[in-house]
Amino acid sequence: SQKIEQNSEALNIQEGKTATLTCNYTNYSPAYLQWYRQDPGRGPVFLLLIRENEKEKRKERLKVTFDTTLKQSLFHITASQPADSATYLCALPNDYKLSFGAGTTVTVRA
Amino acid sequence: DTAVSQTPKYLVTQMGNDKSIKCEQNLGHDTMYWYKQDSKKFLKIMFSYNNKELIINETVPNRFSPKSPDKAHLNLHINSLELGDSAVYFCASSPRLAGGGDTQYFGPGTRLTVL
Repeated sequence: SQKIEQNSEALNIQEGKTATLTCNYTNYSPAYLQWYRQDPGRGPVFLLLIRENEKEKRKERLKVTFDTTLKQSLFHITASQPADSATYLCALPNDYKLSFGAGTTVTVRA
Repeated sequence: DTAVSQTPKYLVTQMGNDKSIKCEQNLGHDTMYWYKQDSKKFLKIMFSYNNKELIINETVPNRFSPKSPDKAHLNLHINSLELGDSAVYFCASSPRLAGGGDTQYFGPGTRLTVL
């Protein structure tokens, strides 16, 4: 069966450090992968998309990698700030829909 | 201007009642979705519509009936509400059906509590 697994439910880090989140998938062959951010009480907001032929994508302090051999994407937040505290969701396309992972909640301590 | 709006934001009701949630998008997108996010925060698709046509129905009980009067609106009617329907329901839209890499834009959510 198809599965999307995000490494841990919660990640606590010190301000200024790099947070690394993992998204592993099985029985998918995605042409791309997306990452979303969700704050409490709000809907998810799109952050980044990486295609299967791209190894890495960056946006400001965010970096995403995509390894189709390992069936894994890594999401990095560098020089983290308390404002980065949120839940981060990975999403894969599947038959005209997006399937989401359960998310990893990141808390950045000042 | 709000891109994807939902009403109401909160809905508290008794078991057995019927309720509706409305969604509107002003982005000019062709595709709209309903998602359910349960207490474990898992976001699961329920329905998608493309140009008012039902595309995806993810084995949702037939007590849930979506209706798309036009491309900009997708409403969700729920009959005979059950305790297990308590969740946050999100509406979303995208320019086209998922598969091409389009971003999905989510509404603020409707928190439904069934007592």
